[in-house]
Amino acid sequence: GQQLNQSPQSMFIQEGEDVSMNCTSSSIFNTWLWYKQDPGEGPVLLIALYKAGELTSNGRLTAQFGITRKDSFLNISASIPSDVGIYFCAGQLGRDDKIIFGKGTRLHILP
Amino acid sequence: GAVVSQHPSRVICKSGTSVKIECRSLDFQATTMFWYRQFPKKSLMLMATSNEGSKATYEQGVEKDKFLINHASLTLSTLTVTSAHPEDSSFYICSATQRWAFFGQGTRLTVV
Repeated sequence: GQQLNQSPQSMFIQEGEDVSMNCTSSSIFNTWLWYKQDPGEGPVLLIALYKAGELTSNGRLTAQFGITRKDSFLNISASIPSDVGIYFCAGQLGRDDKIIFGKGTRLHILP
Repeated sequence: GAVVSQHPSRVICKSGTSVKIECRSLDFQATTMFWYRQFPKKSLMLMATSNEGSKATYEQGVEKDKFLINHASLTLSTLTVTSAHPEDSSFYICSATQRWAFFGQGTRLTVV
């Protein structure tokens, strides 16, 4: 079945640094999604991408839908303490199709 | 954005009892909802797709008689963990789609 490879698994950075994480897939998706999950909560959507090559920003977050439809990256600029959490990439073929999740990138910010 | 409400947020039950978890789309209708299970420090594992007015579709390895899903209306899906055992303890999350997927707050189930 479809699999998403998300990297890195975890990151330890200093406050103020930029962050980059990415996802690759063995097959194409028509929608790429990036979610953030805080402990004990459900995932919250950060950015949704619908077109190959699309580059979308949401505040300090920027994500791109790879031209091959098999990859996506998420960048966070000037990290702040509330950025700590787990970031998941996700792919979806159609609107009502199941979403395939990556294994997550756990972001830690060093004091 | 769209709101998906999940209830309860935490539940502790005795081994052998059944627990029902509700997932509601508060401001939109959802013909399809999804149920996930998440182990500590792991990703979300899709358990089943809940289809309004018809049977749920279960992922491979998920026992349909163990995890009963009912999607009786366009705004409500329920997951019942039957005859719960300690190994069923986990974080269960639902989602519903309005253009993109919105997730409930999750339910922490502890079976003692």
